[in-house]
Amino acid sequence: GQQLNQSPQSMFIQEGEDVSMNCTSSSIFNTWLWYKQDPGEGPVLLIALYKAGELTSNGRLTAQFGITRKDSFLNISASIPSDVGIYFCAGFLGDKIIFGKGTRLHILP
Amino acid sequence: DTGVSQNPRHKITKRGQNVTFRCDPISEHNRLYWYRQTLGQGPEFLTYFQNEAQLEKSRLLSDRFSAERPKGSFSTLEIQRTEQGDSAMYLCASSFSGGATDTQYFGPGTRLTVL
Repeated sequence: GQQLNQSPQSMFIQEGEDVSMNCTSSSIFNTWLWYKQDPGEGPVLLIALYKAGELTSNGRLTAQFGITRKDSFLNISASIPSDVGIYFCAGFLGDKIIFGKGTRLHILP
Repeated sequence: DTGVSQNPRHKITKRGQNVTFRCDPISEHNRLYWYRQTLGQGPEFLTYFQNEAQLEKSRLLSDRFSAERPKGSFSTLEIQRTEQGDSAMYLCASSFSGGATDTQYFGPGTRLTVL
């Protein structure tokens, strides 16, 4: 079946640093989604991308939908402690969402 | 409206017991989804409803699993004769189809532990 490959699996950064993570697929997706999940909670949608090449921002977050429609990246600028969590890329397969395995972000004190 | 709610938040049960979880979607949403998430993985699709009709079921949904949405509002997910491998977070999401986008909003999940 279709799989989304996220990298890196985990990141350790200093507060204030910028973060970049990406997601690739062997298949084309028409929509890319980025979710964040805090411990013990459900995923929360951060950014949705609907067109190849689209670059969308949400505060300190920026995501791009790759031209080939097989990849996407998420950047976080000037990280703060509440950015800690797991970031999932996802895409629609029919009416259901397929998720990657996530990138776990740690912020060092 | 406070978003998607799920009850209980945590459930511990013994192997072989039956469990039932409830999901209350955002009130104007006609679609309701169930996902399962195990440690270190992203959520995996189980099934979804449009109004009261169950439109798709994943092969992950064995015969021991059954989901209902009898009045097109809340939904229940029942697991019969639980096994240790059923231990996971069960997530519910809802969306409104027919708009410009079909954004799914997730609830906080029910964490199931089977002893």
